[in-house]
Amino acid sequence: AQTVTQSQPEMSVQEAETVTLSCTYDTSESNYYLFWYKQPPSRQMILVIRQEAYKQQNATENRFSVNFQKAAKSFSLKISDSQLGDTAMYFCAFIRQNDYKLSFGAGTTVTVRA
Amino acid sequence: GAVVSQHPSRVICKSGTSVKIECRSLDFQATTMFWYRQFPKQSLMLMATSNEGSKATYEQGVEKDKFLINHASLTLSTLTVTSAHPEDSSFYICSARGQPYEQYFGPGTRLTVT
Repeated sequence: AQTVTQSQPEMSVQEAETVTLSCTYDTSESNYYLFWYKQPPSRQMILVIRQEAYKQQNATENRFSVNFQKAAKSFSLKISDSQLGDTAMYFCAFIRQNDYKLSFGAGTTVTVRA
Repeated sequence: GAVVSQHPSRVICKSGTSVKIECRSLDFQATTMFWYRQFPKQSLMLMATSNEGSKATYEQGVEKDKFLINHASLTLSTLTVTSAHPEDSSFYICSARGQPYEQYFGPGTRLTVT
């Protein structure tokens, strides 16, 4: 079974500052995908960023970037220049290539302060 | 593109009645859809995988006779909560499998059983 661990239940950041969310996962698979999803108060799940395990280059998407350490099974998310609209719950997720099921971490609630 | 809708967005029903939730892929065909349950401030829990034209696959601990899933077409999956009880009150989210390994999420349905 795959497990995804997010050890930070809540984080608070000042607007325009940077915040880093941690995520570790456990798997014996060699081919998989990792995701960060955002769930704002509307509860709509929004894909923030995706990383293919076979790619060594860290994914970036505008103000969002990841630090993917495959050997350490670590997948952290950095939010730069935080904006009020970034306030949400963030979930790290893992998907295997053979069954397409997503395994989610417990989530980190991020609050951006004005 | 890749829009998934859910209907209804909110439903209140009396204990002992059944309620049906629809999940539709609006602009693409989805051979596989997933149903999740989410309690407040918690993560998404996968309930079942719905495959078009075949029986759904339920996760361990999920009662298949209580949560009936039908995936009759490439754009529609339904979840019927039978003989609902207050403990079934929750937020139900569906997703549709995209390519290559993404899932596109619906906006969710808030079920309240009185």
